[in-house]
Formats: sequence, structure tokens, C-alpha cells
Amino acid sequence: QVQLVQSGAEVKKPGASVKVSCKASGYTFTNYGISWVRQAPEQGLEWMGWISPSNGNTNYAQNLQGRVTMTTDTSTSTAYMELRSLRSDDTAVYYCATHYSHLGYFDSWGQGTLVTASS
Amino acid sequence: DFQMTQSPSSLSASLGDRVTITCRASQGISNSLAWYQQKPGKAPKLLLYATSRLESGVPSRFSGSGSGTDYTLTISSLQPEDFAIYYCQQYYSTPWTFGQGTKVEIK
Repeated sequence: QVQLVQSGAEVKKPGASVKVSCKASGYTFTNYGISWVRQAPEQGLEWMGWISPSNGNTNYAQNLQGRVTMTTDTSTSTAYMELRSLRSDDTAVYYCATHYSHLGYFDSWGQGTLVTASS
Repeated sequence: DFQMTQSPSSLSASLGDRVTITCRASQGISNSLAWYQQKPGKAPKLLLYATSRLESGVPSRFSGSGSGTDYTLTISSLQPEDFAIYYCQQYYSTPWTFGQGTKVEIK
């Protein structure tokens, strides 16, 4: 069965960077896209962007352009999301999720990683 | 961007009730709509995609309908495990966007 296991919680100071990992198993890693979705405390869901592990192509939400980078390591079936210049409003649970190419509905999710940006 | 508006924001219902949640897109999304259920402290779970296609393993009491800009999620007979927050999401065009959520609570 598909499993996405994310790295642990992070606490960072404003202005710092964070890199969250998402290790996939149970399917062919390059056959599905990986999106990142975040959820601020007691708030709704926000799609951040997606990466195609097969060719490395990315599509980022415009409000995060320039601060976010998504990458994959196909040798370890792991996806990464780096967010730079952290602000307090980046405090959220960050999820990775799979979807079939450009069909952007998310059928498997990681367990979430809490990132706290606080001085 | 495609804005997704859900209604109501919350509702109270009893076990066995029929519950309907609506989702309106700011533009037509050609049935590219999914529904998720989220319980406290957990990741969202896909319930339906392509408006009405039930994800594998999801009980048949969940159903979806709609077209154009207006979509609905129906739970035919509310069960104890259905108390949660429900989100709609359009994947017609990036940025893929979610509704603000509907909290289903016990009456």
C-alpha cells in the first residue's frame, strides 16, 4: 500500500529556512506527482505546488514563488520541500500528497510535519 | 485563481440524518472537483473525485453531484465516524484550491 512518511517537527526563527522530507513507498515513485499542502493552526488547506518526480518539473503557487523549492531524489523515492525566509505566518502543518500527473486530487497523504516559525 | 466557497461553514446533525454540503466555484470547473474528510490531528482523506467517483474503500453513504460551478456532497445517513471537517477542492486549474471547510458536529 502507498505510504508517505514525513520528517519530524521543526522550530525555526523568522528569516531561516526549513526543509521537509517525504519518503514514499508502495508504488512506483516516478509514476505520480507529489504536491505539498499546508494548514495553518485552526485554518483550511492551502496548496503550495507540485513536482513531477519523473522529470523534475515544478508548478508553484504564485504567492510562494521565490521562497519555495520542491525537489525529489528518485534513488531513495523521497520528495523535499524547502521554504526560505520563514515568517510567523508560515507556521503550519505541511503535508505531502500524491496525485496522478495533472489530475490534482490527492489520494494519499503523509502524516504531516509541524513547522513553527517563532522568535 | 478559482475561489471555492462552501456552505454551510458548520452544521449540527443527528445520527442517521441526511447531510448535504455545497461548494460553489467562482468559475466553471468541468467536474474537476474532489471532496476530503479531515479529523482532528489527521491528514485529509480523499472521499470522492471527478465530482461523483467514490474513492476505493469509502462507504457508499457518501455521494457527490453537480456541474459547472455548483457541487454537493451528501451523506445519506450520518454515522458516528462521520463527524469531521469536509473540504471541497478544484483541480481544473492551478493553483488548485480548497473550500474553507464545513464542520459537521453532533446535535
